[in-house]
Amino acid sequence: GIQVEQSPPDLILQEGANSTLRCNFSDSVNNLQWFHQNPWGQLINLFYIPSGTKQNGRLSATTVATERYSLLYISSSQTTDSGVYFCAVGANAGGTSYGKLTFGQGTILTVHP
Amino acid sequence: EAQVTQNPRYLITVTGKKLTVTCSQNMNHEYMSWYRQDPGLGLRQIYYSMNVEVTDKGDVPEGYKVSRKEKRNFPLILESPSPNQTSLYFCASSSRERTNRSGANVLTFGAGSRLTVL
Repeated sequence: GIQVEQSPPDLILQEGANSTLRCNFSDSVNNLQWFHQNPWGQLINLFYIPSGTKQNGRLSATTVATERYSLLYISSSQTTDSGVYFCAVGANAGGTSYGKLTFGQGTILTVHP
Repeated sequence: EAQVTQNPRYLITVTGKKLTVTCSQNMNHEYMSWYRQDPGLGLRQIYYSMNVEVTDKGDVPEGYKVSRKEKRNFPLILESPSPNQTSLYFCASSSRERTNRSGANVLTFGAGSRLTVL
């Protein structure tokens, strides 16, 4: 199956700092999503981005499918950004954005005030 | 309120005693899936379902069963639980029609079910 590696495993920031999280995957995919798990365990979908660049407020993501990696950018970080960020990928029939999904191990982000 | 509801939220059981974790969504979503989360391993997909009576294995299906007899429900069945199935379990659902501002077919997760098998 597809292997997914995220880096760094842990990241500690001061409020206001910027950060870049990376997701490498081992095979071609047609489904790539980023998720945030807050300190209370709630999982929220951030982006569906199998290729290209998208932005949503202080967050943006870029996937370079030909080189098999994706980056999640967090600008002007806030304490509420703390939690675990997961990348998940899939290679599903028909190019559907859901189906079999393989998650990375996550990046634990801690933002201090 | 649109949501995915899992029950029970917490359960301690013993090896071999069959149990079912229920998952229900009220959003008329076609797609539902189950994941387990273990420290250092992230989330791993157990089973998923593209629609009623259509299910398929994820990455770690061994020891689990699912059924999708109705669109809203997707129960996870552990016929003979073992201690290595102690984990935090999440159910999620999605519709191919719904998107959020960032373009995702929004995968909505339940609150999680923490299962301990002694």
